[in-house]
Amino acid sequence: QKEVEQNSGPLSVPEGAIASLNCTYSDRGSQSFFWYRQYSGKSPELIMSIYSNGDKEDGRFTAQLNKASQYVSLLIRDSQPSDSATYLCAEDTGFQKLVFGTGTRLLVSP
Amino acid sequence: KAGVTQTPRYLIKTRGQQVTLSCSPISGHRSVSWYQQTPGQGLQFLFEYFSETQRNKGNFPGRFSGRQFSNSRSEMNVSTLELGDSALYLCASSLTRGNTEAFFGQGTRLTVV
Repeated sequence: QKEVEQNSGPLSVPEGAIASLNCTYSDRGSQSFFWYRQYSGKSPELIMSIYSNGDKEDGRFTAQLNKASQYVSLLIRDSQPSDSATYLCAEDTGFQKLVFGTGTRLLVSP
Repeated sequence: KAGVTQTPRYLIKTRGQQVTLSCSPISGHRSVSWYQQTPGQGLQFLFEYFSETQRNKGNFPGRFSGRQFSNSRSEMNVSTLELGDSALYLCASSLTRGNTEAFFGQGTRLTVV
């Protein structure tokens, strides 16, 4: 059973702080990992994809992948109240079959 | 550029009925995947279609089926609806298969009463 594990939270951070979201996965063969943001009542929105070890930065977001330790993380710098949402980690276990974690709820307080 | 379009947005059906949901992918995208999202189980993969063929299937009963048309539009069908089928059904569109990004539509909220 391929699994993706996330802490459900909530993770509470003050506005302007760095939010750190983490995810571990069980399938060593997975090559692609994604972070989605989901606001309450809305569909998931892709915010980051990462395919190789190391860091990938896009604006205020940095995704980190460590295949040896089987973890993926997402850093959100200068967190804003509008970042308050559930963040879903997903791995592509083979040809567009995404396995999702249960999501981490992030709360950014003004 | 238009995103992924799912219709209808909301549906209320009675147990035992069947339902068909529709998904139009992003223009040029050829892979369409379907997911079910519930509070208890989270997001779960149903199936994926590429070039009008089901390429991948999740662990759902045969009551759940789908198809893809030559223009990449996809439909999924659920027959003999059960109360537990109440969920948000999401369609994801990808350019092709294999290690590519998937973009979700707004979803169809199905309520079975």
